[in-house]
Amino acid sequence: QKEVEQDPGPLSVPEGAIVSLNCTYSNSAFQYFMWYRQYSRKGPELLMYTYSSGNKEDGRFTAQVDKSSKYISLFIRDSQPSDSATYLCAMSGGDSSYKLIFGSGTRLLVRP
Amino acid sequence: ETGVTQTPRHLVMGMTNKKSLKCEQHLGHNAMYWYKQSAKKPLELMFVYNFKEQTENNSVPSRFSPECPNSSHLFLHLHTLQPEDSALYLCASSHSGGDQETQYFGPGTRLLVL
Repeated sequence: QKEVEQDPGPLSVPEGAIVSLNCTYSNSAFQYFMWYRQYSRKGPELLMYTYSSGNKEDGRFTAQVDKSSKYISLFIRDSQPSDSATYLCAMSGGDSSYKLIFGSGTRLLVRP
Repeated sequence: ETGVTQTPRHLVMGMTNKKSLKCEQHLGHNAMYWYKQSAKKPLELMFVYNFKEQTENNSVPSRFSPECPNSSHLFLHLHTLQPEDSALYLCASSHSGGDQETQYFGPGTRLLVL
């Protein structure tokens, strides 16, 4: 079993839709949770960072962490074609917080 | 230049060649990382440097040799690579200590080994 599971997609939605992206994990020591956005032929760009459980909102983006279920989500409201990218979840914890464990990424396509 | 830069952006090399990838960060960080990103696979951490000292080698074959002359520059020296080493090689940086999980990536070098 992978430490971090992420549906590869692709996920295709119409412009304006609410998008839900998710990851599950198995290591209960994880306490730092990140979402990265990666456009084609570019490096990952840090989008959201959450420590421990709870919600965090930044504009159209909301990150949720449910440590009891070992489940994290990224919601995108009013999705735009420019949101079309691969979204990577990443997490770490314990003494080795620098060791990010990544999901495989979900490819999102927002249709105009 | 801002953020994390990497050169070259694309590289094609034969299995007997020697080449080097370069990374430079302009964020004032003290930790730098090399990652490998292969198609359909999660990013794999290769090497970690803190204050120019290597603190992690994630069982990477010796045909990959990192070098960190100072906290702003990181190199990955390549020699006698195999076709399965073809991938996107990403450099990242972060603060050292309590904020190392917040890493910022460069655009990557797309490597093709023939």
